[in-house]
Amino acid sequence: NAGVTQTPKFRILKIGQSMTLQCAQDMNHNYMYWYRQDPGMGLKLIYYSVGAGITDKGEVPNGYNVSRSTTEDFPLRLELAAPSQTSVYFCASRHYNSPLHFGNGTRLTVT
Amino acid sequence: GQQLNQSPQSMFIQEGEDVSMNCTSSSIFNTWLWYKQDPGEGPVLLIALYKAGELTSNGRLTAQFGITRKDSFLNISASIPSDVGIYFCAGQGGDDKIIFGKGTRLHILP
Repeated sequence: NAGVTQTPKFRILKIGQSMTLQCAQDMNHNYMYWYRQDPGMGLKLIYYSVGAGITDKGEVPNGYNVSRSTTEDFPLRLELAAPSQTSVYFCASRHYNSPLHFGNGTRLTVT
Repeated sequence: GQQLNQSPQSMFIQEGEDVSMNCTSSSIFNTWLWYKQDPGEGPVLLIALYKAGELTSNGRLTAQFGITRKDSFLNISASIPSDVGIYFCAGQGGDDKIIFGKGTRLHILP
């Protein structure tokens, strides 16, 4: 199993550009989560999903969109990138009543 | 909204010392999780706690799920250099959200 795979690993965006951060898991986990981690800070929940077709807002959803059309994939979309979205983005997944498994992160810089 | 207060923010200890850190909240959680993050990596699970009062060990690490379901602590005994890193608590509520504390940065003095 590859676990949780995030692509790309690094990206630089100009202000106003859009992009999609990809997250895929091969563990047949129903639950998937997106977090952002600013330098020296903890993880903030952006969006999460308890199954295909279901998504919910987390602590900091503004400026982001998600979709969950399959169990395996949970892409995160930035429509109009802003400098405040410079961060490291982590995707994670889990089974019911099990802890989170994290990907290795996408490091995004918006200039 | 839900918040986790993790303390201390950072610790400077001598190798061989014991370490204790904790998380508190005004909200009730169904699950408490403790993770460690090394620079440039994603968080890695240390201990998961699923029942109020549960005390669980993983080698030199011991964590407890508070009876009120609003707090948890993590102890590390006889610290070694590879214990350096950032430790995060996380709580899962009934709505399946999992939120994280701000982390405890552990530094070990030579």
